Amino acid sequence: GESVGLHLPTLSVQEGDNSIINCAYSNSASDYFIWYKQESGKGPQFIIDIRSNMDKRQGQRVTVLLNKTVKHLSLQIAATQPGDSAVYFCAENYARDDYKLSFGAGTTVTVRA
Amino acid sequence: GAVVSQHPSWVICKSGTSVKIECRSLDFQATTMFWYRQFPKQSLMLMATSNEGSKATYEQGVEKDKFLINHASLTLSTLTVTSAHPEDSSFYICSASNWGNYGYTFGSGTRLTVV
Repeated sequence: GESVGLHLPTLSVQEGDNSIINCAYSNSASDYFIWYKQESGKGPQFIIDIRSNMDKRQGQRVTVLLNKTVKHLSLQIAATQPGDSAVYFCAENYARDDYKLSFGAGTTVTVRA
Repeated sequence: GAVVSQHPSWVICKSGTSVKIECRSLDFQATTMFWYRQFPKQSLMLMATSNEGSKATYEQGVEKDKFLINHASLTLSTLTVTSAHPEDSSFYICSASNWGNYGYTFGSGTRLTVV
């Protein structure tokens, strides 16, 4: 499943399929990006990060792609599992701005069994 | 790995009272701590940034006299919501950072309900 458009807040995906979550960031000067997973009633959990000098980074079952030309970030989750159901946020940081993180709107991912 | 402990995990208080939330970095020194507020089904909104030993820097629209932040040591920051009102009910989350080593680590959040 894929979140179509950059502002769709929900994504429903069949267990075992790949998920793609999209995010548009706002500051062309941002140089560090992070994807977080947040389960209900909990704090954000780090998934993967990428610096602006890279366009792709892979982790365990996850891949982050960065397109600086269009200020677009995506998170790909391979073989989505029920435990992946959560809200996913992208965050951007501009190091000169006191290291503050700015969060995107978030995408709710629901995995169908 | 880096661990941030936040307490309490939930609190209910009466309107007009003050509530203190603690954020501790357990296994690293946090030079900078961030406080966020999150309303239901919304994203995290940064309230303030605090550096150890310095006054906190508040984001536009956040009342510094209402949300008191203290970062007296490299492992502890506190957020005090003074004269709480029902509209202050929210999920408050802290994040700690030690640049060069740990990036950003988030606490588990505090659910504040003002009645």
